[in-house]
Formats: sequence, C-alpha cells, structure tokens
Amino acid sequence: AQKVTQAQTEISVVEKEDVTLDCVYETRDTTYYLFWYKQPPSGELVFLIRRNSFDEQNEISGRYSWNFQKSTSSFNFTITASQVVDSAVYFCALSEIPDSGGYNKLIFGAGTRLAVHP
Amino acid sequence: DAGVTQSPTHLIKTRGQQVTLRCSPKSGHDTVSWYQQALGQGPQFIFQYYEEEERQRGNFPDRFSGHQFPNYSSELNVNALLLGDSALYLCASSLEGEGNYGYTFGSGTRLTVV
Repeated sequence: AQKVTQAQTEISVVEKEDVTLDCVYETRDTTYYLFWYKQPPSGELVFLIRRNSFDEQNEISGRYSWNFQKSTSSFNFTITASQVVDSAVYFCALSEIPDSGGYNKLIFGAGTRLAVHP
Repeated sequence: DAGVTQSPTHLIKTRGQQVTLRCSPKSGHDTVSWYQQALGQGPQFIFQYYEEEERQRGNFPDRFSGHQFPNYSSELNVNALLLGDSALYLCASSLEGEGNYGYTFGSGTRLTVV
C-alpha cells in the first residue's frame, strides 16, 4: 500500500531561519510521482513541485529546495531564509503513474504546519 | 484565467440530511477529482470523474456519490450525513494525458454537520 509520513506536525521558526520539512513515503510501485503542496489559511492547495521517481536530481527554486533520496524513500523540502509569508501547512503527496498518462489519485501525508515569526 | 471554482464556500447541515457540493474546473481541464480533508489531516481521495464517468474511487461509502456534466463541471453528493462528514471538501481539476503538471485545487467547501 502507498503511504506518506510527515513526522513533524508543527514547526515554529523565526524569520530568516532555514527550515526543513521531512517526508518519507512507501510504495511498491517502481514508477511514481512525488509532490509538495502549500495550503495557506484560504484553503486551496498550491502546487510547489512534482518529482518523477526516475529523476533523483535535487532541485532549487529561489528560496525553496528539494532533496529526493530514493534509497531512503525520502523527499525533503527546505526553505532558506524563511519569511512570514511562508507560514502555512505543507503537504507531501505520492501518486503512481498510470499507463494512460494523466494522474492517478494523490496520497497525502498529514501535513506540517509551519509558523514563521517576525 | 479562472482556476477551480467551488460552491458554496461554507455550509451547515443537520445529521441525516443530504448535501450537494459543486465544482467548476479550470478552463481547459477535463478531469475532476474530489478530496475530503478532516481538520488537522491531509486530504483523502474520494473519487475521480472523466468523460462523465467515475473511473477511480477511494475508500468512501456509497453515501458519497458524484456526477460530471458535459461541460466538465462536477457535483459531489453526500446522503445521510454523519457528524464525521464534517470536513473541507476540495475539488481538483486536471487535463487527461497532460502528464507534466499537478492538479489545480479549488479553495474548498467547508461542511459542518451538526
């Protein structure tokens, strides 16, 4: 069965600190997608990144970076120099890749609530 | 370009009643998925509609049903509401076969069952 674990329920940091959100996943599929979403208080899930299981190259986008390690089934997310606007709930998610393309259902972790204080 | 639109934004229902939630997908998207997010938890997949048919379903009872219309919009119906159905219901749209992008989510409908 597929499963996503985000062990950190809440993290509190002071602005400009670096923070890493952990994500560990379980799947028997050999091909899959991993995602990170941000959920601000307004409720919508904002897409941050998608990673194909074949691509273990780490990615950096501005202050955001992602570390994908297939050997440990982890897909961690780091925010550098955090800002108050980064305060939100962050979800890691897993999806198998269907033969027909498109996307299968997303399996979400329980989320990590990040609070960045001025 | 409008994203995913859900209505209503908030709803209060009494236990045992029935409710219908609505979703308009992002322009150009043809696939709609519904998720239930209980307080403090991650979203749970309910079902997905494509070409007006349910093609995948999560672990939810038959009280949860849906529909997709020819214009790709969708409804989620829940019968015989239970207190445990209180949650944020999220609609997500995507384009079948697009392959390169994740879902686009709406802001959800907050359902409270009393």
